[in-house]
Amino acid sequence: KAGVTQTPRYLIKTRGQQVTLSCSPISGHRSVSWYQQTPGQGLQFLFEYFSETQRNKGNFPGRFSGRQFSNSRSEMNVSTLELGDSALYLCASSLATGGYAGELFFGEGSRLTVL
Amino acid sequence: DAKTTQPNSMESNEEEPVHLPCNHSTISGTDYIHWYRQLPSQGPEYVIHGLTSNVNNRMASLAIAEDRKSSTLILHRATLRDAAVYYCILRLNYGGSQGNLIFGKGTKLSVKP
Repeated sequence: KAGVTQTPRYLIKTRGQQVTLSCSPISGHRSVSWYQQTPGQGLQFLFEYFSETQRNKGNFPGRFSGRQFSNSRSEMNVSTLELGDSALYLCASSLATGGYAGELFFGEGSRLTVL
Repeated sequence: DAKTTQPNSMESNEEEPVHLPCNHSTISGTDYIHWYRQLPSQGPEYVIHGLTSNVNNRMASLAIAEDRKSSTLILHRATLRDAAVYYCILRLNYGGSQGNLIFGKGTKLSVKP
């Protein structure tokens, strides 16, 4: 069974640009969530999507957005990049439906460097 | 605001038990306690989760205090492959933040042969 796939694995952008990251969940998983990991702030929850709807959202500015497609694949977008957006962005999928306690399966992440 | 507090690092000897503590004094009644671990250059991996009762699985045990303000992840016999950063996480289950995850800073576990 294929795991969670994130693309691209590495990318470099400059301040002011925008970036789109992609996440393909495990087959059959309908929930996809995104996380930012930095040395200073650690792991922080960005948002979660279920059946193409954003189910909940962490405390990030509106420059961070996401969407989920009918096949459960998800993308996140960061506009007007800042140096502080340099981070490892992790995606996770789960089977969780009505409840919120499901096991999360993480991808290996997309490492974004903003110059 | 909900938060979890963990020691920055811990050391263990191989094949000995390890107790990783976590304080979550701001936990609400229906928030779940999750533990994940992360190896270098990998995404986090699920270890265990619980609500009120102690939980066991093939990887570890989770002991939850009666008042739920703290919990302890127990690795019964540490191996070199258990060396990782262990995250204690609250999965909020109330109000507008339902489903949000609150991560601790993580405990880096070193295992000595």
